[in-house]
Amino acid sequence: ETGVTQTPRHLVMGMTNKKSLKCEQHLGHNAMYWYKQSAKKPLELMFVYSLEERVENNSVPSRFSPECPNSSHLFLHLHTLQPEDSALYLCASSSIRGDRSHETQYFGPGTRLLVL
Amino acid sequence: GENVEQHPSTLSVQEGDSAVIKCTYSDSASNYFPWYKQELGKRPQLIIDIRSNVGEKKDQRIAVTLNKTAKHFSLHITETQPEDSAVYFCAANSNSGYALNFGKGTSLLVTP
Repeated sequence: ETGVTQTPRHLVMGMTNKKSLKCEQHLGHNAMYWYKQSAKKPLELMFVYSLEERVENNSVPSRFSPECPNSSHLFLHLHTLQPEDSALYLCASSSIRGDRSHETQYFGPGTRLLVL
Repeated sequence: GENVEQHPSTLSVQEGDSAVIKCTYSDSASNYFPWYKQELGKRPQLIIDIRSNVGEKKDQRIAVTLNKTAKHFSLHITETQPEDSAVYFCAANSNSGYALNFGKGTSLLVTP
């Protein structure tokens, strides 16, 4: 599937490194999301961008910094992460209508992150 | 914050039997309820969704029911097949309209 792509697919980083995750959607959507998926926990919403404006930020530590330069691209910049940040990071996109009614979210394949 | 509870956490059925997964939600403003299937090592994929203006929706072997009064919704899979084995997540939208609150997932195993 090529609707929502993410790079890299796997990442190992030390606690002092700086890295970035990239997400690209080819579906013409106007909203993009970052989720964290850890073992035995629900999918946790981290950030939402609608029309390139951040509309939700769910108390995520500042060591995670999102960037949405346009409606097709979303980045997650990582800095001084902790081992407990190791998880699968999923990007998703959707269309949001003017009345904010919800449309289906399509997920990317995820980036498997390991922080040593 | 809003909560979505999902049960059971694991479910094992024989091929051909039915499987039922149940979810409850707390936000009475929720009006969109998708179900996602995630196979091992793959991304979550939408399999069916329901909006609050209907009580039931069916797509071949998969059906979802919604009881807004009780704030619960269920996924029903009939005539299960081994390829139905996966983790299934329910979700409900939040009052902001943008976020989806997910359940913890149900690991379904269909044995031949």
